[in-house]
Amino acid sequence: QQQVKQSPQSLIVQKGGIPIINCAYENTAFDYFPWYQQFPGKGPALLIAIRPDVSEKKEGRFTISFNKSAKQFSLHIMDSQPGDSATYFCAASRTPTDKLIFGTGTRLQVFP
Amino acid sequence: NAGVMQNPRHLVRRRGQEARLRCSPMKGHSHVYWYRQLPEEGLKFMVYLQKENIIDESGMPKERFSAEFPKEGPSILRIQQVVRGDSAAYFCASSRGQGSYEQYFGPGTRLTVT
Repeated sequence: QQQVKQSPQSLIVQKGGIPIINCAYENTAFDYFPWYQQFPGKGPALLIAIRPDVSEKKEGRFTISFNKSAKQFSLHIMDSQPGDSATYFCAASRTPTDKLIFGTGTRLQVFP
Repeated sequence: NAGVMQNPRHLVRRRGQEARLRCSPMKGHSHVYWYRQLPEEGLKFMVYLQKENIIDESGMPKERFSAEFPKEGPSILRIQQVVRGDSAAYFCASSRGQGSYEQYFGPGTRLTVT
């Protein structure tokens, strides 16, 4: 019940494409769903996050779609660039001070 | 405006030695979380601390691992008698608390046990 399942494991797109990364959860107590971007040798960087009271959130080229009834959420990257090549992690937590439960990560490669 | 700071960035220890990892949270943040990332895996929660208190240590191995966040100074993750399986990247994250969900991560300490 504490798991967050993430897919696909890896993703290759051409520049300008729209990669989509999906996550699913079981625990309905989760109340906060962030996405992190991690480059090799670096720490995860908070990219965008959503709460269950909205179905979509956009920040620049990054969009989260949230489906509360299906217990799924996804990250869309518009007009992807080679600089977006990184590993992306979804996560979830129950309360503001609760630990983050992470998905297993998606390695994205964007080719010119 | 400094972010979360961790040191050392890289640490090599022989089996049986002790490893001490340090984390200074962002300015104004009083909540610290430690996570471990094994090669090609996601991040796993270890422990959550506030100043002078361990709040949640449900992800911490029962033996050899300990953590503290003293009133003054950085948070410390201590691993005694390291084994090869402890080789991983250890990340610290900090949060402002006070109803804020956001956790911001440091650059990590990469521990290699030889």
